[in-house]
Amino acid sequence: DIVMTQTPLSSPVTLGQPASISCRSSQSLVYSDGNTYLNWLQQRPGQPPRLLIYKISNRFSGVPDRFSGSGAGTDFTLKISRVEAEDVGVYYCMQATQSVTFGGGTKVEIK
Amino acid sequence: EVQLVESGGGLVKPGGSLRLSCAASGFTFSNAWMSWVRQAPGKGLEWVGRIKIKIHGGTIDYAAPVKGRFTISRDDSKNMLYLQMNSLKTEDTAVYYCVTGVGFTEVDYWGQGTLVTVSS
Repeated sequence: DIVMTQTPLSSPVTLGQPASISCRSSQSLVYSDGNTYLNWLQQRPGQPPRLLIYKISNRFSGVPDRFSGSGAGTDFTLKISRVEAEDVGVYYCMQATQSVTFGGGTKVEIK
Repeated sequence: EVQLVESGGGLVKPGGSLRLSCAASGFTFSNAWMSWVRQAPGKGLEWVGRIKIKIHGGTIDYAAPVKGRFTISRDDSKNMLYLQMNSLKTEDTAVYYCVTGVGFTEVDYWGQGTLVTVSS
């Protein structure tokens, strides 16, 4: 199984400041069709997860442009350019290149 | 609007069985891969399994911890997804989410979840 490792576990951020979350996979996520099936999800407190970013860097419908994704191969990053109060929650990376596995999650909280 | 509504959760004893259902609407169900993902209390997300669409062979894949005990099925005529859970263990206690992909990923939309508690 592909193991997804996220850092940090927790990220206290000042409102209006940027935040960055890293995700590393135990093997390359490039699929045979050339796509990299790396997604990012957000889970606000008490809510189900929702899709933010798919295939490394594509924002899903309705996702604010302060969220961006980047990376390649085995190393990926989710950035929030200016954290807002509604961004508090846990963020998960997820790969769907070989079966499906999730990272352990990164909690974003306000300082 | 895509809607996924899970039902069937509850309290069950170890070794028991439970069947979860997911009613889908707002998209062409027969064209969508459907998955179950679970989340133990206070823990992260764990993929349970998925069922592909007929033109992709209707293949069903399971995570190792549930293989042989859980069965995923779908009824495209009723827009329903099911998860039959047998030989339940305490470690199966979790909120179970019904998840669908409608063209972007296989996790585009999530239901609100249904809680399954396995305890004596």
